[in-house]
Amino acid sequence: NAGVTQTPKFRVLKTGQSMTLLCAQDMNHEYMYWYRQDPGMGLRLIHYSVGEGTTAKGEVPDGYNVSRLKKQNFLLGLESAAPSQTSVYFCASRKEVSTDTQYFGPGTRLTVL
Amino acid sequence: GESVGLHLPTLSVQEGDNSIINCAYSNSASDYFIWYKQESGKGPQFIIDIRSNMDKRQGQRVTVLLNKTVKHLSLQIAATQPGDSAVYFCAENRHSGAGSYQLTFGKGTKLSVIP
Repeated sequence: NAGVTQTPKFRVLKTGQSMTLLCAQDMNHEYMYWYRQDPGMGLRLIHYSVGEGTTAKGEVPDGYNVSRLKKQNFLLGLESAAPSQTSVYFCASRKEVSTDTQYFGPGTRLTVL
Repeated sequence: GESVGLHLPTLSVQEGDNSIINCAYSNSASDYFIWYKQESGKGPQFIIDIRSNMDKRQGQRVTVLLNKTVKHLSLQIAATQPGDSAVYFCAENRHSGAGSYQLTFGKGTKLSVIP
């Protein structure tokens, strides 16, 4: 199993550009999450999904959209990137039960100029 | 407000000594706590977890202690090794409605092991 993978690993955008980050998991997990991590801070939840076709807002959802068309994929979109969205983005997945371990991907480093 | 936080942002430990990383939480309804290790340039990696009906749980060289009375969580690493150098995060599992649960993370403690 590859676990949780993220594409791309690095990206530089100009203000106003759009992009989509892809997260894929091959563990048949129901729950998937997108976090952002800023220097000196813990991870903050952007959006999450409790199953295929569902999405929900997390702590910091503004400026982002997500889609979960397939169970194994969770996409994070930035429609009009802003410098404040410069961050490292992590995707995670969890099987189902509330106390199942949450597994993280390797991260995507995004810089918005 | 409710939060998960860490007492010490940085910790330097001599190789071979024991390390203790602390975490405070304020949501008494949280039923599950997790410690993650994050090495530079990588995603968080699960270390150990504990449910709220337990006081202590041991893993390989790691022990998590939960004190619900004072809402305190600690991670103990025995015989700390250079490979233990990383940022350690505690996280609490909160019910977020509609049967779903979310993790809320602390800001992290950076552990540096001195050879």
